[in-house]
Amino acid sequence: NAGVTQTPKFRVLKTGQSMTLLCAQDMNHEYMYWYRQDPGMGLRLIHYSVGEGTTAKGEVPDGYNVSRLKKQNFLLGLESAAPSQTSVYFCASSTSTGNEQYFGPGTRLTVT
Amino acid sequence: KQEVTQIPAALSVPEGENLVLNCSFTDSAIYNLQWFRQDPGKGLTSLLLIQSSQREQTSGRLNASLDKSSGRSTLYIAASQPGDSATYLCAVNDSNYQLIWGAGTKLIIKP
Repeated sequence: NAGVTQTPKFRVLKTGQSMTLLCAQDMNHEYMYWYRQDPGMGLRLIHYSVGEGTTAKGEVPDGYNVSRLKKQNFLLGLESAAPSQTSVYFCASSTSTGNEQYFGPGTRLTVT
Repeated sequence: KQEVTQIPAALSVPEGENLVLNCSFTDSAIYNLQWFRQDPGKGLTSLLLIQSSQREQTSGRLNASLDKSSGRSTLYIAASQPGDSATYLCAVNDSNYQLIWGAGTKLIIKP
């Protein structure tokens, strides 16, 4: 099992550009999450999904959109990137809320 | 609003020492508390998960305790090794079943 994988690992964008981050899990987990991690701060939840076809807002959803068209994939989109979105993005999955979350290796995004 | 604090932000100890990492939270209404390890440039690995009804969990040289009434958890690492060097994060699963994270403690074990 590959667990949770994220694509790409690194990306540099210019302000105003768009991109999509892909998260895939092969553990048949219902729940998937997108977090961002900034220096000196804990992880913050951007959006999450409780199952295929569902999405919900987390703590810091502004400027991001998500889709969960297939159970194994959770996509995070930035429509118009801003320097404030420079961060490391982590995807995670779990069998249900409150259970152990399994994390991907992260995507380091820089917006100039 | 739940807030999670980890002190100290960084810790350096000689190999072989036993050490304690601290995590405090402001709202005792939690579902569970989890400790994670993060290695540079890598994702997070779950170390221990303590349910709100439990007092402690153990895995190998790691022991995590939970005192909900005082809003504290500790991660005890016995006989530390250089391979234990990493950032340790704690996160509480709040009443909305969302993880609220501390900023982490960066641990360096000196050979």
